[in-house]
Amino acid sequence: GAVVSQHPSRVICKSGTSVKIECRSLDFQATTMFWYRQFPKKSLMLMATSNEGSKATYEQGVEKDKFLINHASLTLSTLTVTSAHPEDSSFYICSARAGSGNYEQYFGPGTRLTVT
Amino acid sequence: DAKTTQPPSMDCAEGRAANLPCNHSTISGNEYVYWYRQIHSQGPQYIIHGLKNNETNEMASLIITEDRKSSTLILPHATLRDTAVYYCIVRVVRAAAGNKLTFGGGTRVLVKP
Repeated sequence: GAVVSQHPSRVICKSGTSVKIECRSLDFQATTMFWYRQFPKKSLMLMATSNEGSKATYEQGVEKDKFLINHASLTLSTLTVTSAHPEDSSFYICSARAGSGNYEQYFGPGTRLTVT
Repeated sequence: DAKTTQPPSMDCAEGRAANLPCNHSTISGNEYVYWYRQIHSQGPQYIIHGLKNNETNEMASLIITEDRKSSTLILPHATLRDTAVYYCIVRVVRAAAGNKLTFGGGTRVLVKP
């Protein structure tokens, strides 16, 4: 099956700093990538949808200036949490869709962000 | 996309079949039923999906009622590694929809020895 990777798997950063999370589709070209956030014992919440070469579409309530998404190539999307605060500590998960008639979404393993 | 209702949790015995119900009474004719699961601290894993016929693969079986208002995911022989949160999602599969997967609360399944 299609493989999606995320890097790093865990990251600890200090309050006020920025952290970048990478999402890569390893064996397919992803025309669309999705970013989710998950708090402990809660379900996944979609943050934004990005299409390669276009600006991301953010869900209601998600600050686009705080969560910068770049989808510059068909195999890489990045999520940058800017000026991170402890309340941004969460599990961030990306997923990717190939397009071209294949509408399935493949999920990455997630990135655990802890802001101290 | 239609909303789904699942029991918040259930236990099942190792080696026995686990039957996970999902209610999707407002499902539209062009919406598929998808099941994913999420093992602790991992990304969601696709299990199975169907439109109106029952489906089976190496992981599970999906039984969809004739009126499509509910479905059951069956894990035929549950193992301890099947302990996870199982999500039932209904969605339209077409390019224009963006194919967003909207996750509900899911069912937290605990497989006990």
